[in-house]
Amino acid sequence: GENVEQHPSTLSVQEGDSAVIKCTYSDSASNYFPWYKQELGKRPQLIIDIRSNVGEKKDQRIAVTLNKTAKHFSLHITETQPEDSAVYFCAASKNQGAQKLVFGQGTRLTINP
Amino acid sequence: ETGVTQSPTHLIKTRGQQVTLRCSSQSGHNTVSWYQQALGQGPQFIFQYYREEENGRGNFPPRFSGLQFPNYSSELNVNALELDDSALYLCASSIEMGAYEQYFGPGTRLTVT
Repeated sequence: GENVEQHPSTLSVQEGDSAVIKCTYSDSASNYFPWYKQELGKRPQLIIDIRSNVGEKKDQRIAVTLNKTAKHFSLHITETQPEDSAVYFCAASKNQGAQKLVFGQGTRLTINP
Repeated sequence: ETGVTQSPTHLIKTRGQQVTLRCSSQSGHNTVSWYQQALGQGPQFIFQYYREEENGRGNFPPRFSGLQFPNYSSELNVNALELDDSALYLCASSIEMGAYEQYFGPGTRLTVT
Protein backbone atom coordinates (compact mmCIF):
# COMPACT_ATOMS: atom_id res chain seq x y z
CA GLY A 1 0.00 0.00 0.00
CA GLU A 2 0.89 3.67 -0.05
CA ASN A 3 3.59 4.94 2.28
CA VAL A 4 4.26 8.64 2.90
CA GLU A 5 7.49 9.85 4.50
CA GLN A 6 7.73 13.41 5.84
CA HIS A 7 10.80 15.45 6.82
CA PRO A 8 11.87 17.08 8.99
CA SER A 9 9.99 16.00 12.12
CA THR A 10 10.71 19.36 13.77
CA LEU A 11 11.57 22.70 12.21
CA SER A 12 12.39 25.97 13.92
CA VAL A 13 12.70 29.20 11.91
CA GLN A 14 12.96 32.89 12.68
CA GLU A 15 9.88 35.00 12.08
CA GLY A 16 9.96 36.35 8.55
CA ASP A 17 12.10 33.52 7.19
CA SER A 18 10.85 30.73 4.93
CA ALA A 19 10.02 27.16 5.93
CA VAL A 20 10.07 24.09 3.70
CA ILE A 21 8.63 20.68 4.54
CA LYS A 22 9.18 17.71 2.24
CA CYS A 23 7.25 14.49 1.63
CA THR A 24 7.82 11.44 -0.51
CA TYR A 25 5.23 8.85 -1.50
CA SER A 26 5.53 5.33 -2.80
CA ASP A 27 2.42 4.65 -4.91
CA SER A 28 2.70 6.15 -8.39
CA ALA A 29 -1.11 5.92 -8.71
CA SER A 30 -1.55 8.60 -6.03
CA ASN A 31 -2.92 11.74 -7.63
CA TYR A 32 -4.01 14.07 -4.83
CA PHE A 33 -1.72 15.62 -2.23
CA PRO A 34 -3.20 17.81 0.52
CA TRP A 35 -1.47 19.57 3.37
CA TYR A 36 -3.10 19.95 6.77
CA LYS A 37 -2.23 22.26 9.64
CA GLN A 38 -3.08 21.06 13.14
CA GLU A 39 -2.79 23.39 16.10
CA LEU A 40 -2.62 21.92 19.58
CA GLY A 41 -5.93 20.35 20.54
CA LYS A 42 -7.61 21.33 17.27
CA ARG A 43 -8.77 19.60 14.12
CA PRO A 44 -6.51 19.15 11.07
CA GLN A 45 -7.24 22.09 8.78
CA LEU A 46 -6.82 21.76 5.02
CA ILE A 47 -4.52 24.62 3.97
CA ILE A 48 -3.57 23.76 0.41
CA ASP A 49 -3.68 20.81 -1.95
CA ILE A 50 -2.37 19.85 -5.36
CA ARG A 51 -3.42 17.32 -7.95
CA SER A 52 -1.09 15.31 -10.12
CA ASN A 53 -1.85 17.27 -13.29
CA VAL A 54 -0.29 20.38 -11.75
CA GLY A 55 3.32 21.01 -10.79
CA GLU A 56 2.89 23.97 -8.47
CA LYS A 57 0.13 25.81 -6.65
CA LYS A 58 0.31 28.98 -4.61
CA ASP A 59 -2.03 30.64 -2.15
CA GLN A 60 -0.70 33.87 -0.66
CA ARG A 61 2.27 32.89 1.57
CA ILE A 62 1.99 29.16 1.05
CA ALA A 63 2.86 27.09 -1.99
CA VAL A 64 3.11 23.42 -2.83
CA THR A 65 5.28 21.82 -5.50
CA LEU A 66 4.94 18.31 -6.89
CA ASN A 67 7.50 16.20 -8.73
CA LYS A 68 5.66 13.12 -10.01
CA THR A 69 8.76 11.54 -11.48
CA ALA A 70 10.60 11.63 -8.18
CA LYS A 71 7.39 11.06 -6.20
CA HIS A 72 7.89 13.93 -3.83
CA PHE A 73 6.06 17.10 -2.93
CA SER A 74 6.88 20.04 -0.71
CA LEU A 75 5.19 22.77 1.29
CA HIS A 76 6.74 26.22 1.22
CA ILE A 77 5.75 28.94 3.68
CA THR A 78 7.23 32.40 3.12
CA GLU A 79 7.37 35.38 5.48
CA THR A 80 6.56 33.13 8.43
CA GLN A 81 4.54 34.51 11.32
CA PRO A 82 4.08 33.25 14.91
CA GLU A 83 0.58 31.98 14.03
CA ASP A 84 2.17 29.59 11.54
CA SER A 85 3.45 27.57 14.51
CA ALA A 86 1.65 24.19 14.40
CA VAL A 87 2.08 20.59 13.28
CA TYR A 88 1.85 20.18 9.53
CA PHE A 89 0.86 16.90 7.85
CA CYS A 90 1.21 15.93 4.23
CA ALA A 91 -0.99 13.22 2.77
CA ALA A 92 -1.50 11.30 -0.45
CA SER A 93 -4.60 9.78 -1.98
CA LYS A 94 -5.72 8.14 -5.20
CA ASN A 95 -9.13 8.12 -6.83
CA GLN A 96 -9.65 4.37 -6.64
CA GLY A 97 -12.33 3.04 -4.31
CA ALA A 98 -12.27 4.81 -0.98
CA GLN A 99 -10.39 8.09 -1.18
CA LYS A 100 -8.38 7.31 1.92
CA LEU A 101 -5.74 9.81 2.89
CA VAL A 102 -2.38 8.31 3.84
CA PHE A 103 -0.61 10.78 6.11
CA GLY A 104 3.01 11.51 6.81
CA GLN A 105 4.30 11.55 10.38
CA GLY A 106 3.99 15.31 10.75
CA THR A 107 6.36 18.26 11.15
CA ARG A 108 6.25 20.45 14.23
CA LEU A 109 6.98 23.97 12.99
CA THR A 110 7.99 26.61 15.51
CA ILE A 111 8.30 30.26 14.50
CA ASN A 112 10.63 32.17 16.79
CA PRO A 113 9.84 35.89 17.23
CA GLU B 1 -13.99 26.16 10.77
CA THR B 2 -15.68 23.30 8.91
CA GLY B 3 -19.31 22.32 9.53
CA VAL B 4 -18.27 18.85 10.70
CA THR B 5 -19.19 18.14 14.31
CA GLN B 6 -18.35 15.23 16.59
CA SER B 7 -19.56 14.02 19.96
CA PRO B 8 -18.57 13.51 22.64
CA THR B 9 -15.45 15.68 22.96
CA HIS B 10 -13.78 13.44 25.50
CA LEU B 11 -14.48 9.95 26.75
CA ILE B 12 -12.90 7.67 29.32
CA LYS B 13 -13.58 3.95 29.11
CA THR B 14 -12.28 0.80 30.74
CA ARG B 15 -10.54 -1.98 28.85
CA GLY B 16 -13.09 -4.46 27.48
CA GLN B 17 -15.90 -1.95 27.26
CA GLN B 18 -17.62 -0.74 24.09
CA VAL B 19 -17.84 2.83 22.79
CA THR B 20 -19.87 4.72 20.17
CA LEU B 21 -18.62 7.95 18.66
CA ARG B 22 -20.76 10.23 16.51
CA CYS B 23 -20.13 12.52 13.56
CA SER B 24 -22.32 14.95 11.67
CA SER B 25 -21.02 15.73 8.23
CA GLN B 26 -20.89 19.17 6.67
CA SER B 27 -24.15 20.19 4.99
CA GLY B 28 -24.31 18.79 1.46
CA HIS B 29 -21.60 16.17 2.09
CA ASN B 30 -22.57 12.51 1.62
CA THR B 31 -19.24 10.79 2.34
CA VAL B 32 -17.73 10.30 5.78
CA SER B 33 -14.31 8.87 6.62
CA TRP B 34 -13.02 7.93 10.07
CA TYR B 35 -9.40 8.22 11.19
CA GLN B 36 -7.51 7.30 14.34
CA GLN B 37 -4.76 9.68 15.45
CA ALA B 38 -2.43 8.37 18.13
CA LEU B 39 -0.43 10.93 20.09
CA GLY B 40 2.36 12.43 18.02
CA GLN B 41 1.38 10.65 14.82
CA GLY B 42 -0.56 11.33 11.65
CA PRO B 43 -4.15 10.18 11.30
CA GLN B 44 -4.69 6.59 10.12
CA PHE B 45 -7.64 5.65 7.92
CA ILE B 46 -10.20 3.35 9.56
CA PHE B 47 -13.01 3.25 6.99
CA GLN B 48 -15.20 5.35 4.71
CA TYR B 49 -18.97 5.44 4.30
CA TYR B 50 -20.83 6.58 1.22
CA ARG B 51 -24.62 6.60 1.09
CA GLU B 52 -24.89 4.27 4.10
CA GLU B 53 -22.48 1.66 2.70
CA GLU B 54 -18.90 0.96 3.80
CA ASN B 55 -16.75 2.01 0.86
CA GLY B 56 -13.33 0.91 1.99
CA ARG B 57 -11.45 -0.09 5.12
CA GLY B 58 -7.98 0.40 6.49
CA ASN B 59 -5.92 -2.01 8.55
CA PHE B 60 -8.21 -2.16 11.59
CA PRO B 61 -9.78 -5.28 13.16
CA PRO B 62 -13.51 -6.10 12.85
CA ARG B 63 -14.19 -4.81 16.38
CA PHE B 64 -14.06 -1.37 14.71
CA SER B 65 -17.38 -0.98 12.93
CA GLY B 66 -19.48 1.86 11.65
CA LEU B 67 -22.78 3.08 10.36
CA GLN B 68 -23.98 5.91 8.18
CA PHE B 69 -27.53 7.19 8.43
CA PRO B 70 -29.86 8.58 5.73
CA ASN B 71 -28.93 12.13 6.78
CA TYR B 72 -25.25 11.15 6.20
CA SER B 73 -24.28 11.40 9.84
CA SER B 74 -22.15 8.50 11.02
CA GLU B 75 -21.16 6.42 14.03
CA LEU B 76 -17.95 4.62 14.87
CA ASN B 77 -18.30 1.68 17.24
CA VAL B 78 -15.37 0.00 18.95
CA ASN B 79 -15.92 -3.22 20.89
CA ALA B 80 -13.67 -4.92 23.43
CA LEU B 81 -11.60 -1.78 23.99
CA GLU B 82 -7.85 -2.16 24.38
CA LEU B 83 -5.38 0.25 25.94
CA ASP B 84 -3.90 0.94 22.48
CA ASP B 85 -7.27 2.25 21.32
CA SER B 86 -6.57 5.42 23.28
CA ALA B 87 -6.35 8.12 20.61
CA LEU B 88 -8.07 11.05 18.96
CA TYR B 89 -10.80 9.80 16.62
CA LEU B 90 -11.46 12.12 13.71
CA CYS B 91 -14.17 12.04 11.13
CA ALA B 92 -13.90 13.85 7.84
CA SER B 93 -16.60 14.59 5.31
CA SER B 94 -16.45 15.02 1.54
CA ILE B 95 -19.03 16.46 -0.79
CA GLU B 96 -19.09 13.31 -2.91
CA MET B 97 -17.31 9.95 -2.99
CA GLY B 98 -15.22 10.97 -5.94
CA ALA B 99 -14.27 14.32 -4.45
CA TYR B 100 -10.79 14.69 -3.08
CA GLU B 101 -11.09 17.30 -0.35
CA GLN B 102 -11.81 15.99 3.13
CA TYR B 103 -12.77 18.32 5.96
CA PHE B 104 -12.20 17.19 9.51
CA GLY B 105 -14.27 17.49 12.63
CA PRO B 106 -12.75 18.44 15.99
CA GLY B 107 -12.35 14.83 17.08
CA THR B 108 -13.22 12.73 20.10
CA ARG B 109 -10.41 12.07 22.57
CA LEU B 110 -10.82 8.49 23.82
CA THR B 111 -8.86 7.29 26.82
CA VAL B 112 -8.94 3.59 27.71
CA THR B 113 -7.77 2.68 31.22
